[in-house]
Amino acid sequence: QVQLVQSGAEVKKPGSSVKVSCKASGGTFSSYAISWVRQAPGQGLEWMGRIIPILGIANYAQKFQGRVTITADKSTSTAYMELSSLRSEDTAVYYCARDATTVVYDAFDIWGQGTMVTVSS
Amino acid sequence: EIVLTQSPGTLSLSPGERATLSCRASQSVSSSYLAWYQQKPGQAPRLLIYGASSRATGIPDRFSGSGSGTDFTLTISRLEPEDFAVYYCQQYGSSLSITFGQGTRLEIK
Repeated sequence: QVQLVQSGAEVKKPGSSVKVSCKASGGTFSSYAISWVRQAPGQGLEWMGRIIPILGIANYAQKFQGRVTITADKSTSTAYMELSSLRSEDTAVYYCARDATTVVYDAFDIWGQGTMVTVSS
Repeated sequence: EIVLTQSPGTLSLSPGERATLSCRASQSVSSSYLAWYQQKPGQAPRLLIYGASSRATGIPDRFSGSGSGTDFTLTISRLEPEDFAVYYCQQYGSSLSITFGQGTRLEIK
């Protein structure tokens, strides 16, 4: 059974960057899209972008264009999300999530455990 | 971008009752690419329904989804104590913009 294991909690200063990792184990990695979704404290879910590792192509929600970079390393079955120019509003739990199948679009059936990113001076 | 509006914001019911959650889209969701997730405090979301009406693996049959176009519904036929959580709908018909509803909190009355 595929599992997604994310890196640990981070505390960052405003204006800095954070890079969160998401390692897949127990199954195929490259053919499935990996998305990043964040959740501010007490708030709902917000999709940030996705990548299909075998293609190396990422696309991003308009809100995060220019500030987020999603990459994938097929050799280690790991996806990364880097968010720059951090501000207090970026304080949230960041999740990676995998598409259920390799079709063009699908729901997210496997989720990482979440990574808390706190932005504070 | 497709905006999803969920109603009600909070639903107060008792175990054994039927729950009906609504998700309305600002424009038609292509090919019923509509999913429902359940989230409990401190946990990642769990996929319940995809393709508007197909249950994900391991999801009990008391959960059902219906709808098409712009109006979708999640029904829980008889609430169990473990069903009290927050529920989100999601449209995934375009990787240009995947969006979630704001959530419905299902609480014990």
